Amino acid sequence: AQSVTQPDIHITVSEGASLELRCNYSYGATPYLFWYVQSPGQGLQLLLKYFSGDTLVQGIKGFEAEFKRSQSSFNLRKPSVHWSDAAEYFCAVALNNAGNMLTFGGGTRLMVKP
Amino acid sequence: EAQVTQNPRYLITVTGKKLTVTCSQNMNHEYMSWYRQDPGLGLRQIYYSMNVEVTDKGDVPEGYKVSRKEKRNFPLILESPSPNQTSLYFCASSWRGTTSKVGNYEQYFGPGTRLTVT
Repeated sequence: AQSVTQPDIHITVSEGASLELRCNYSYGATPYLFWYVQSPGQGLQLLLKYFSGDTLVQGIKGFEAEFKRSQSSFNLRKPSVHWSDAAEYFCAVALNNAGNMLTFGGGTRLMVKP
Repeated sequence: EAQVTQNPRYLITVTGKKLTVTCSQNMNHEYMSWYRQDPGLGLRQIYYSMNVEVTDKGDVPEGYKVSRKEKRNFPLILESPSPNQTSLYFCASSWRGTTSKVGNYEQYFGPGTRLTVT
């Protein structure tokens, strides 16, 4: 069965600093990969997704992620964090032929210091 | 406005008292799902539906039922709630695509329902 691991439960960065959130997945074939963000008290919003092609994908709010097949990773990055980026971030994987079933990682809570 | 709505948003109930959480989407999506979110575990899929009258179990279906009698609605039913079902529940929907265009797998999430079972 596929699985998703987000090794960092909490991360604190200073406003303006760069950010990288880690995501590792376990799946035999090339998965469909997603990053979602959940602001406090809100539902989930899609930041970006990878299906195929260019391994560096751009998303909303200035985020990007890079798919590395050799490392089974799909890390999320942002060059300069804003206070409004404080939220919980979830990495997810979908099976190619399983409709829209998503398996989520445990989440990383990002805190931003002024 | 395209959206997924859930009701109620907050619910406190007692063990054994049947309840239903409604979910409705106005985007004509074929796929709908229910997830529960627990600290440190992320979101786990409870049930999903590929279309009307087509439902299947996700990773944690025990203690839950669903139905999909209409395309827009996908209620979650707890016949006999227990304290271990205290959680934050999300409904989501997505577009299957057509024969000429692949669905984009993007799920649209509702605002969540916080359920407490005492």
